[in-house]
Amino acid sequence: GAVVSQHPSWVICKSGTSVKIECRSLDFQATTMFWYRQFPKQSLMLMATSNEGSKATYEQGVEKDKFLINHASLTLSTLTVTSAHPEDSSFYICSARDLGRGYEQYFGPGTRLTVT
Amino acid sequence: QKEVEQNSGPLSVPEGAIASLNCTYSDRGSQSFFWYRQYSGKSPELIMSIYSNGDKEDGRFTAQLNKASQYVSLLIRDSQPSDSATYLCAVIRAGGTSYGKLTFGQGTILTVHP
Repeated sequence: GAVVSQHPSWVICKSGTSVKIECRSLDFQATTMFWYRQFPKQSLMLMATSNEGSKATYEQGVEKDKFLINHASLTLSTLTVTSAHPEDSSFYICSARDLGRGYEQYFGPGTRLTVT
Repeated sequence: QKEVEQNSGPLSVPEGAIASLNCTYSDRGSQSFFWYRQYSGKSPELIMSIYSNGDKEDGRFTAQLNKASQYVSLLIRDSQPSDSATYLCAVIRAGGTSYGKLTFGQGTILTVHP
């Protein structure tokens, strides 16, 4: 149990375009989902926290107009990187938590974004 | 002082040995503690969660928590080459329970050599 999927697993896009990444909890209802970014050889950086049906809460320094997060249902959250630039190239990972199960966060497999 | 600090590593142990990974945290009110394993190029995978003082065992893994010392550790018995990965200690700080935000350590790279 506690499986989280992400789609796509990797994406290459041109500078200035937008990319949408989906995160789904497959066998549980995710009351809260989290979006992280990880650069090579660095630790995970939390970008935002989203609760189903509410606006996302962004970490300091993360541009909410650039990284649009929607948590429309208890099993789906999306991250849209708008007007992507090469510096947005990174490994984006979502995680999900079901308060009914406890405080464990389960991570999706990640999406590797390359902006050319 | 970092909020969550792990022994710097890298840590190298021979196959079959016990690997010991350590983590300290600064927020005395922290309540929830986790160990994740991350293989190179992959996302983190939850290995253990621990909430109460003492030991918690799951297969070859044992997590130990000492809230008085603000210390949490992970022991891996009978280490295998497949255990070679980066191990991340994560903590939910006091007041963070409602959102469940994890604060991660910098990670310890473990190599198990045959």
